[in-house]
Amino acid sequence: QVQLVESGGGVVQPGKSLKLSCATSGFRFSFSQYGLHWFRQAPGKGLEWVSFISTDENENYYADSVKGRFTISRDNSKNTLYLQMNSLRVEDTAVYYCTQDRGYGDVWGQGTMVTVSS
Amino acid sequence: DIVMTQSPDSLAVSLGERATINCKSSQSLLYSSNNKNYLAWYQKKPGQPPKMLIYWASTRESGVPDRFSGTGSGTDFTLTINSLQAEDVAVYYCQQFLTVFRTFGQGTKVEI
Repeated sequence: QVQLVESGGGVVQPGKSLKLSCATSGFRFSFSQYGLHWFRQAPGKGLEWVSFISTDENENYYADSVKGRFTISRDNSKNTLYLQMNSLRVEDTAVYYCTQDRGYGDVWGQGTMVTVSS
Repeated sequence: DIVMTQSPDSLAVSLGERATINCKSSQSLLYSSNNKNYLAWYQKKPGQPPKMLIYWASTRESGVPDRFSGTGSGTDFTLTINSLQAEDVAVYYCQQFLTVFRTFGQGTKVEI
């Protein structure tokens, strides 16, 4: 059974940083063989894609709303995905989800809440 | 980016009746190499992560009741919920996974 467990969320002031982690287990194949995404959902809003990282980290992509502030990374030896979030803004407040790209849709974690507020 | 547009934004359906949600993409989601449509449908309830119902536009995810069905190809897709149950109250999203730059429809709220 595939499991993705996000952690690292919390309350942070605007302009500060936070690092999210996503621990994974139960993948059918090696963790390193899957692309991974971060998504988010702000309160009362729809689902938004945030970032993607390829299997070998050579391809990283970001939504325009976070480009230059967020950095996605992965540690294939620890089966873990990360999202470093810098210069946080009030509008980054959301539940953040990590997903496994199966090639036929995404498997989602439970999410972690990030609140940016002064 | 591929723009996904759902209709309607919300709908109220009686228990046991049918709900139909439409989704249109700004470009074709049909990949010619494998003849598959890279379109998924999700159910989202408050406090829970999105739950995938359908992928490849019409393939039900394991464990999803057969009252949920997906149809369509190219740019026009439909999610149908037959015999609506109380536990189906949720917001439904279509998503394209043709590219890593995933995009979603704005969501359709289904109520009783």
